[in-house]
Amino acid sequence: DAKTTQPTSMDCAEGRAANLPCNHSTISGNEYVYWYRQIHSQGPQYIIHGLKNNETNEMASLIITEDRKSSTLILPHATLRDTAVYYCIVRVFNDYKLSFGAGTTVTVRA
Amino acid sequence: GAVVSQHPSRVICKSGTSVKIECRSLDFQATTMFWYRQFPKQSLMLMATSNEGSKATYEQGVEKDKFLINHASLTLSTLTVTSAHPEDSSFYICSAEWVVPGVLFFGSGTQLSVL
Repeated sequence: DAKTTQPTSMDCAEGRAANLPCNHSTISGNEYVYWYRQIHSQGPQYIIHGLKNNETNEMASLIITEDRKSSTLILPHATLRDTAVYYCIVRVFNDYKLSFGAGTTVTVRA
Repeated sequence: GAVVSQHPSRVICKSGTSVKIECRSLDFQATTMFWYRQFPKQSLMLMATSNEGSKATYEQGVEKDKFLINHASLTLSTLTVTSAHPEDSSFYICSAEWVVPGVLFFGSGTQLSVL
C-alpha cells in the first residue's frame, strides 16, 4: 500500500471547519483513500473513503486532488467531541489489510 | 453505522494465566475480522486477520501459539492471550470488515494489564 504523510498535530477552533491534509504521492490507480479517527481510549471510527471523486457524508467531506497525490478531510463544524487522532490510509480496495500510521492529533479548542 | 461489541473492556490478570477476549458483530455478518494491539501513545499494530472457518493469518513477529484466534461463526471471533506476561499488557482492539471492503467497524477495545 502507498505511504501517507500527515501533520503530527493541529489545533482548530470550535465551530470552525477543520481541514486535515494527507499526502499520498505514490498512490496507485486502484488504491482508495480511507479516513478513520480514534478518540482517546476507544476503538477507531470509520469516517469516509473515496477513489478520485470528492465524497461527503454526515460526518465529513473528502476532497481528493485531480492527480490523487493528496487529499483533505474536512470537518465542517468542529466540536470538542471531534478531538481525536485522525488516520489517513491508502489501500487497494480488495486488499484484506488496513494499516494505521501515526495519524494527526487534532485538538478542538473552545 | 454497524456495531461491533468487544468484551471485556478491561481485565487484570496474574502472570502466567490466560485471558480470552470476545469480539462480536451485532448487526452484520463478518467473514473477516482483524485484531490489533496498541501501546500507549502509539498507533494500532495489526496482529492477525481472522477468517471465519479457517486459520488466522498472523503478522510477522506475532506468536500464533501465544495469541490464539478463533473465528467459529460469522459474528464471533475470540483472541486468547495464553500464559500472559507483563509485556503483553496492552490495549487490544478487534474490528470487523463490513460489506464495503476497507470499511471496518471497531470494538471499544480491551485494556489488558498483566501483573
